[in-house]
Amino acid sequence: DAGITQSPRHKVTETGTPVTLRCHQTENHRYMYWYRQDPGHGLRLIHYSYGVKDTDKGEVSDGYSVSRSKTEDFLLTLESATSSQTSVYFCAISESSGIGGYTFGSGTRLTVV
Amino acid sequence: RKEVEQDPGPFNVPEGATVAFNCTYSNSASQSFFWYRQDCRKEPKLLMSVYSSGNEDGRFTAQLNRASQYISLLIRDSKLSDSATYLCVVNIAGSGGYQKVTFGTGTKLQVIP
Repeated sequence: DAGITQSPRHKVTETGTPVTLRCHQTENHRYMYWYRQDPGHGLRLIHYSYGVKDTDKGEVSDGYSVSRSKTEDFLLTLESATSSQTSVYFCAISESSGIGGYTFGSGTRLTVV
Repeated sequence: RKEVEQDPGPFNVPEGATVAFNCTYSNSASQSFFWYRQDCRKEPKLLMSVYSSGNEDGRFTAQLNRASQYISLLIRDSKLSDSATYLCVVNIAGSGGYQKVTFGTGTKLQVIP
C-alpha cells in the first residue's frame, strides 16, 4: 500500500478550539487532498494542494485552512471548531490531478462537542 | 440534480449471486470514471478504472455508457468479502489541468451466506 498516514486517528475537541490534522506521505506525489465524509453527502473536497505552498479551495472550505510547507506534509486546520465539523476526514494523494485515482489515508474521526 | 447519483441500497444478495450497480452522472463533459470500495469505518480504496470499451478484473466488470451517462459495476460469484460500499467517481477537466473529482454517496452491498 502507498505510504500515507493521518494523525490523529481520533480526536474529541470542544467547540471554539483550533484543531490541526496532519497528513504525511512517503510517495512524493504532487497532489494532496483533504476530504470530509458525512452520511448522505459522500466525500466532499475541503482543500487541495498541487505543490509546496500551492493550495486551493474545494467545495466546503469555509472554516478550514491548509498548509503545505513540504512535499510530504499537508496540514488541515479548523480555525475554531464547530459541531457541524464533526466528521470523518480523509487525506488523499495522487501523482496527477485525478487521473489514475487516489490513495486515501485511514481517516481521522473528529468529534466537536 | 446531483452530479453523481447512486442507489444507496442496501443490496442484499446470496453468496454466489451476480449483482450489478449503476451510477448516473449529469455532466456530459465527464472524462474519467472509477469505482472505489469502502469497507465499514475504513478508507475508500480504488477498485478499478472504467474505460470506454469496458474492462474486467477477475469477477468484476465495469462498463461506461456515454450516451446514457452512466457507469456500471457487475460482480459475479459474490463472496462474503465483497460486502462493502461501492463508490462511483467521475472526473471532469477543470482549469489549469486540474480535474474536478466528484464522488457518489455509494451503494451498500451485503452478501449473505
